[in-house]
Amino acid sequence: SQKIEQNSEALNIQEGKTATLTCNYTNYSPAYLQWYRQDPGRGPVFLLLIRENEKEKRKERLKVTFDTTLKQSLFHITASQPADSATYLCAPSGSASKIIFGSGTRLSIRP
Amino acid sequence: DAGVIQSPRHEVTEMGQEVTLRCKPISGHDYLFWYRQTMMRGLELLIYFNNNVPIDDSGMPEDRFSAKMPNASFSTLKIQPSEPRDSAVYFCASSPRTGNTGELFFGEGSRLTVL
Repeated sequence: SQKIEQNSEALNIQEGKTATLTCNYTNYSPAYLQWYRQDPGRGPVFLLLIRENEKEKRKERLKVTFDTTLKQSLFHITASQPADSATYLCAPSGSASKIIFGSGTRLSIRP
Repeated sequence: DAGVIQSPRHEVTEMGQEVTLRCKPISGHDYLFWYRQTMMRGLELLIYFNNNVPIDDSGMPEDRFSAKMPNASFSTLKIQPSEPRDSAVYFCASSPRTGNTGELFFGEGSRLTVL
């Protein structure tokens, strides 16, 4: 069955450093992969989408890579700030409609 | 647009009672999803609709759960009878029919506690 794995442990990063989160998937070949941010008590919010034919995508301080050989996506936040502290969810999707999420990685940026 | 609207935001009920969660998607969005989130299992897809028609309900845990979408602007998720293990945050999300982007817009969730 399809499996999505994200860093199960919380990630603690010093402000100003680059945070790197990992999303690994097995038993399917997603056509695209999305990343979402979720703050406590709120619904997830869409951040970025990368397609299988794209190696890298950037948006402001965010960068996402998608390696279909390794079956992995990396999510980077450069010049991290305390306001970036949240849980980040990845969703590799093989179908345009059915979107399944990983369990998320909690990121904490300390001043 | 006000975004996806869910009600109630919080619900506390006793085991055996019927629970109905409601969702109003963003106008013009053709897809509607129901998810459940717990610490143990993360964000699980329960069911999704396209143009008010249920497409995949394989995530619905058991027959106690049912979902309907009588029109494009309203959906319900019903649990009858409820059990303590149903305690979770239930999210509704909608998505526009724009190529294959599949970007989801989530509501703020309904936190259900079954005693």
